[in-house]
Amino acid sequence: EAGVAQSPRYKIIEKRQSVAFWCNPISGHATLYWYQQILGQGPKLLIQFQNNGVVDDSQLPKDRFSAERLKGVDSTLKIQPAKLEDSAVYLCASSGPRWNSGANVLTFGAGSRLTVL
Amino acid sequence: SQKIEQNSEALNIQEGKTATLTCNYTNYSPAYLQWYRQDPGRGPVFLLLIRENEKEKRKERLKVTFDTTLKQSLFHITASQPADSATYLCAPYDYKLSFGAGTTVTVRA
Repeated sequence: EAGVAQSPRYKIIEKRQSVAFWCNPISGHATLYWYQQILGQGPKLLIQFQNNGVVDDSQLPKDRFSAERLKGVDSTLKIQPAKLEDSAVYLCASSGPRWNSGANVLTFGAGSRLTVL
Repeated sequence: SQKIEQNSEALNIQEGKTATLTCNYTNYSPAYLQWYRQDPGRGPVFLLLIRENEKEKRKERLKVTFDTTLKQSLFHITASQPADSATYLCAPYDYKLSFGAGTTVTVRA
C-alpha cells in the first residue's frame, strides 16, 4: 500500500511569512495526526482528526496555526505568521482500523522540514 | 506535569552485543506503550506495542518489557547489527500517543 504522502519536504521562509503543508494519509485511514518535532525532541501532537472532525487540538497554537481536513481525506496545516521557534519538522501520520483489538498504531510520512529565518 | 524520559546519553555498542534502552514516565497511566524507530530525515516507524497487562513482548531480535509499578519500559535489541543504528522512541498511550525524545543507538561493526 502507498504510504503517507507529505509536501513540501523542505521549506525556508522569513519570520512573519505564512506556510502551508499538505498531507495525504493511507487510503481508508480515518484518523489523521499532525505532529511537530523540534530538533533533539520527540514528536509533539498538534492536532488529531477523526474523519473530518477534530478530536484533539489542545496543543495547537491557535493564534497562528490552523489545520483542516476537508472530505475526511487529505489535510493541510497552515502557519501564519511564522515565528523563529516554529522551525521544526512537521510530521503527518494516519491510523486505520484499531490494531489488534483497540490500539492506534501510527504510520508516519517523511515529514516537512521548516526553517524560519 | 507529564514527563517521558529516555536514556539521555546516546548508546554506542559493538555488533553482536545487546542494547538496552530505558523509558520512564511520570503522571501517565498508559493503556499500552509503543516503540518506534526513526532514521535521519524520516518519520518514525512502528516496531512493537505492549499492553498494561503484559510483562514482555518479543519480535525477532527485539524485546520489550513493561512494569506499570515502576512506570518503566525497557527495550532490548539482541545480537545487534549496524543496520540497527537509529533513534528509538518510546510512546505511552494515555488517551493520546505521546513521545519521548528518543535514544540514539550506534552499532559498530
